[in-house]
Amino acid sequence: ETGVTQTPRHLVMGMTNKKSLKCEQHLGHNAMYWYKQSAKKPLELMFVYSLEERVENNSVPSRFSPECPNSSHLFLHLHTLQPEDSALYLCASSQERGFGEQYFGPGTRLTVT
Amino acid sequence: QKEVEQNSGPLSVPEGAIASLNCTYSDRGSQSFFWYRQYSGKSPELIMFIYSNGDKEDGRFTAQLNKASQYVSLLIRDSQPSDSATYLCAGITGNQFYFGTGTSLTVIP
Repeated sequence: ETGVTQTPRHLVMGMTNKKSLKCEQHLGHNAMYWYKQSAKKPLELMFVYSLEERVENNSVPSRFSPECPNSSHLFLHLHTLQPEDSALYLCASSQERGFGEQYFGPGTRLTVT
Repeated sequence: QKEVEQNSGPLSVPEGAIASLNCTYSDRGSQSFFWYRQYSGKSPELIMFIYSNGDKEDGRFTAQLNKASQYVSLLIRDSQPSDSATYLCAGITGNQFYFGTGTSLTVIP
């Protein structure tokens, strides 16, 4: 595997379900990011991790819970989501926070029914 | 004022023409800038980055940075229908990475 990978690529879940999104980067980077992109809208930064420590949380509802067990892996745990949470969830990584370009994974297309 | 601003478009150019995409930034201390291309339903893909004042060329793409005027631009020469996408400008201010809202480009055959 190379670059940034995300699983699953597509996810349909009910409002009462609990699911997790997984991201893995194979670039040796120290910073990882979660973004949300709703249809025809700009990227919204959700969380930033630097060396496994959460350094930024942009007022994201508590029904989204990130986890970064090591510098290569990032999870986004989802529970009791709302239909308006349906979006493309993108993971990205960069060499360091605030340094170097960000590389994106392919994204998870989430639909909440 | 947003850290990075772009005209959302849409911008339409005929095939073979030069497409010019522009971006302005608010923090004069910003040093690094990036252009991403995003096809509909796909993730952003890095096209170019530029750190120094002036032009940087890569194939049909030229990035331009003018620090005095605080703008960054991307020129696409010999535009192809496959270039039709949303182009995102991004910059680093302090230790924060900011994306613009993107400019939609359509290349008409």
